[in-house]
Amino acid sequence: GAGVSQTPSNKVTEKGKYVELRCDPISGHTALYWYRQSLGQGPEFLIYFQGTGAADDSGLPNDRFFAVRPEGSVSTLKIQRTERGDSAVYLCASSLLGVRSSYEQYFGPGTRLTVT
Amino acid sequence: KQEVTQIPAALSVPEGENLVLNCSFTDSAIYNLQWFRQDPGKGLTSLLLIQSSQREQTSGRLNASLDKSSGRSTLYIAASQPGDSATYLCAANNAGNMLTFGGGTRLMVKP
Repeated sequence: GAGVSQTPSNKVTEKGKYVELRCDPISGHTALYWYRQSLGQGPEFLIYFQGTGAADDSGLPNDRFFAVRPEGSVSTLKIQRTERGDSAVYLCASSLLGVRSSYEQYFGPGTRLTVT
Repeated sequence: KQEVTQIPAALSVPEGENLVLNCSFTDSAIYNLQWFRQDPGKGLTSLLLIQSSQREQTSGRLNASLDKSSGRSTLYIAASQPGDSATYLCAANNAGNMLTFGGGTRLMVKP
């Protein structure tokens, strides 16, 4: 079946603008995760959804960042008043939860955000 | 707070060598540990997942081991090939949700 998909693959925006990044998880996966990866570093956790609700948003760096998952499937990461320091690759992952789950996370190709 | 470290940060080897990548973590109360491969400009491909109750997992030329008590995991790559050149990331999963990643090991296998 289809894997995790993310759109757009690349986004260039000017400082101060608003951006939305979209993630389509694997069908049936109840858990969805957003991570951010800066150049030369490992990904860092941002937020985790279980169903429609954000179960853990402790990784969001500040209140300019917000994410939603209104129907428990597709998720959108929203960044207001973008800053040059927000430039990174934003990765989305999904996993199947439950007693028989291995909790393995499957990643999308990422969205490369560049703030000029 | 979980912290994950990978050593070495970069590694260059001739084709055919067997090699070991190291991963250490500070909080041994993990649910599982995943190893990923990342090619330049691409997303993460899951290689192996070791549950906390397991000692090792194997897939083809790859073998990953886990020692929870010492907070260490190793990824062994046998008979390395140029196509193995990539960044390898390990990630610890606490409580079945977010992953904490190491900084990665950049591997170059020279023909």
